[in-house]
Amino acid sequence: QLVLTQSPSASASLGASVKLTCTLSSGHSSYAIAWHQQQPEKGPRYLMKLNSDGSHSKGDGIPDRFSGSSSGAERYLTISSLQSEDEADYYCQTWGTGIPWVFGGGTKLTVL
Amino acid sequence: QLQLQESGPGLVKPSETLSLTCTVSGGSISSSSYYWGWIRQPPGKGLEWIGSIYYSGSTYYNPSLKSRVTISVDTSKNQFSLKLSSVTAADTAVYYCARGSNIDPWGQGTLVTVSS
Repeated sequence: QLVLTQSPSASASLGASVKLTCTLSSGHSSYAIAWHQQQPEKGPRYLMKLNSDGSHSKGDGIPDRFSGSSSGAERYLTISSLQSEDEADYYCQTWGTGIPWVFGGGTKLTVL
Repeated sequence: QLQLQESGPGLVKPSETLSLTCTVSGGSISSSSYYWGWIRQPPGKGLEWIGSIYYSGSTYYNPSLKSRVTISVDTSKNQFSLKLSSVTAADTAVYYCARGSNIDPWGQGTLVTVSS
């Protein structure tokens, strides 16, 4: 079964960097994912598509502070030079045969 | 730039059918090989996939909702629609329409409350 696992919460200081993790279920380590950001009281926004080899393509207007990387079944979102507006929920999402969309549970990022 | 906009009643009575429409602008719903679909988010909770329709017309539904969901496309209006039957309070959520395998873009979302 295709499942994405995320830690419920993370925190980091203003100006620092943070690395969020999304883990693909066993047997699905070759899958690409997408990262989405949901700021408080707003709808989700597409950040990037992240492939298993770590290559990624960002959405329109996404700052260079956002980057992605991969290792095995793990997919990472790194945010550098954290700003207050980065405080948000971050969701990973993937897709498979007969299963158009699967979501992780989301990580709530707090900027200290 | 492709944009999606949800529309429909904000209040639905229990046991009735929730109906929403997503209007696509800035591109044709039938011109490219994309999934188009619906996602919901109950208050304070995460994202839940409801169902999707491929440009070819094939439909895919979340197994937990499959018996109550119908998604259809109207290419003449550049719209696709969601019907969710026999709703209860547990169906209260913000409903989003979206496009893609890697979802991009999202609609802005519409809150639907199920209450008598």
